This record gives sequence, structure tokens and C-alpha cells, in this order.
Amino acid sequence: KQEVTQIPAALSVPEGENLVLNCSFTDSAIYNLQWFRQDPGKGLTSLLLIQSSQREQTSGRLNASLDKSSGRSTLYIAASQPGDSATYLCALQDAGGTSYGKLTFGQGTILTVHP
Amino acid sequence: NAGVMQNPRHLVRRRGQEARLRCSPMKGHSHVYWYRQLPEEGLKFMVYLQKENIIDESGMPKERFSAEFPKEGPSILRIQQVVRGDSAAYFCASSPVQGGNQPQHFGDGTRLSIL
Repeated sequence: KQEVTQIPAALSVPEGENLVLNCSFTDSAIYNLQWFRQDPGKGLTSLLLIQSSQREQTSGRLNASLDKSSGRSTLYIAASQPGDSATYLCALQDAGGTSYGKLTFGQGTILTVHP
Repeated sequence: NAGVMQNPRHLVRRRGQEARLRCSPMKGHSHVYWYRQLPEEGLKFMVYLQKENIIDESGMPKERFSAEFPKEGPSILRIQQVVRGDSAAYFCASSPVQGGNQPQHFGDGTRLSIL
């Protein structure tokens, strides 16, 4: 059974800092790994999706990496801004025979960027 | 080009009543996933449906919960005789295919509150 762990659970940084969020998983049989952002009381916004065969994806100030062999992914946020404050979720789409493509989520990292 | 539509956005029920949550997938998507986010917890898979078929309901509570995705109309998640512990955000996601490298697209969720 896939298990996804995100570290740290919460992170508070001053504006302008570069930061790294971590995600680890136990089963490397995945189709892809996705990072989401969730604002309080809102839905999920997809930030980056890394296919199983890829090592990283970049979008603006965000960079996500994937290392299947070690079961790890990182989300790097450069030059953080107060508007980046949100909960960041890591989710894997399992490729096992009976997984039917469902997503397994981590518990999330609550990020606060203060001015 | 509407995305995944969920309604209602907020639903309040008293204990013992029924709750019906609706999800209209993106145009052309015939695969629907339901996830539940309990307070202070991550998102957990509940059920996966294709048109007129339940494919995987391994995440559904055994009693009071049911789901359908009829040939015409939205997918419905139904909770009978609701209890306080059912209070959560319920998210629906759709995909054009099962698994593979297609990302799931999420709705904004239905926030269910039980009085």
C-alpha cells in the first residue's frame, strides 16, 4: 500500500527566502507525481506534474524533482512571497494493477511567508 | 470549457438527514474519482467510477455511503443518516482515461457540515 509523507508539516519563512518542501513515498510503481496548492477553504490547484520517466519540472519560481529510486520528491520555491502562503500537497498516481489511477496524498505542508 | 463542477459548494445537514453531493466532470471525461478531506487530515480516496459502473470503492465506508455515475447526468455521492463525523470537504476529480499519464482535474469541493 502506497504511503506518502511530507516534511515539514509546517514552515514559516520571511519573504524572499528560497525554500524546499519534501515528499517521500514507499512504492515506486507510479504513473506520475503531482504537487498541488490548497488555500484555506478552497479547492486544489495543480502546480506541477512530473511523469514517472521524468526527473524534474519547472514553472516560474517553482521547480519539482522526482527520484523514484529513493522514493523522494522535492518542491523548490524561489524568492518566496506572502502570496505563496498555502498548504502544499504532494500526490502520487499509483500504477499498480488494482490502483485504477487513484491518487494517494501526503498530509501536506502548511507554508507561511511573512512580509 | 468548464472545469469540474461540484454543487453545492456548501451543504448543511442535521444528524440523520441525507446528503447528496453532485459532480459534473469535464467535457469528454468519463472517469470520476471522489476524495474526502476530514478536518486536519489529508485527502483520502473514496471511490472511482466510470459511466454506469463502480470500479473501485475500496475507500468508501461500508455503511451509509453510496455513489453513482449514470449514463446521463452528474456523478452523485450520497450519504444517508449523516453523523457529525461526516463533516468534511468532499472533492471530485475527473479524467479522460483510467490511470496512465493523464492528470486528474479537481472541482472546488463541497463542504459538508453536520449540525
